Amino acid sequence: DIVMTQSPDSLAVSLGERATINCKSSQSIFHSPNNKNYLAWYQQKPGQPPKLLIYWASTRESGVPDRFSGSGSGTDFTLTISSLQAEDVAVYYCHHYYTIPLAFGGGTKVEIK
Amino acid sequence: EVQLLESGGGLAQPGGSLRLSCEASGFTFSTYVMSWVRQAPGKGLEWVSSIGVSGGRTYYADSVKGRFTISRDNSKNTLYLQMSSLRAEDTALYYCAKDPLLYDSPHYFDYWGQGALVTVSS
Repeated sequence: DIVMTQSPDSLAVSLGERATINCKSSQSIFHSPNNKNYLAWYQQKPGQPPKLLIYWASTRESGVPDRFSGSGSGTDFTLTISSLQAEDVAVYYCHHYYTIPLAFGGGTKVEIK
Repeated sequence: EVQLLESGGGLAQPGGSLRLSCEASGFTFSTYVMSWVRQAPGKGLEWVSSIGVSGGRTYYADSVKGRFTISRDNSKNTLYLQMSSLRAEDTALYYCAKDPLLYDSPHYFDYWGQGALVTVSS
């Protein structure tokens, strides 16, 4: 089974500053036949279901602000919030969908410093 | 507008059973893989199960295999999760989630319901 490890568990960033969340898979989730990394990112605010932000590691979902970006390949991935806004306070999860069982990272809580 | 509405949650005794339903609207239900994802109180997300478009293909996490059964009724636009032999560790908010791709295996999730709370306790 592929295990997803996120870091840090939490981070506090000043408004307008950059937030960076890391996600590492225990084996490569890159599929060479279609040149895609099978990784998504979600944002979850308190009392709400998760919201899809990024899929295929770097494709932004429609309607997601462009301050959110995803990068990485193989086993190492990053979600970057380029300029943190107050409404970005949430827990962020990475998720691989390369094989069964699907799996999520443990989550990273983003707060305002 | 895509809507996923879970129901059927509640309190169950250890060893008991419960059936969750997820009524879908706003999209062609029969053409998308559907899944259940759960979240224990204060914890992270855990994929539980997925089902192919016709119901012929089903996928389970090891933690629920043999105890939970996923199914769907495309004529009713409804997804189900039959849970039996429930354990305390099954206590969680269970989300119904839609896959955005036109394949018969699960990928990522573009829409989620609000969740149904299942509590397993004596």
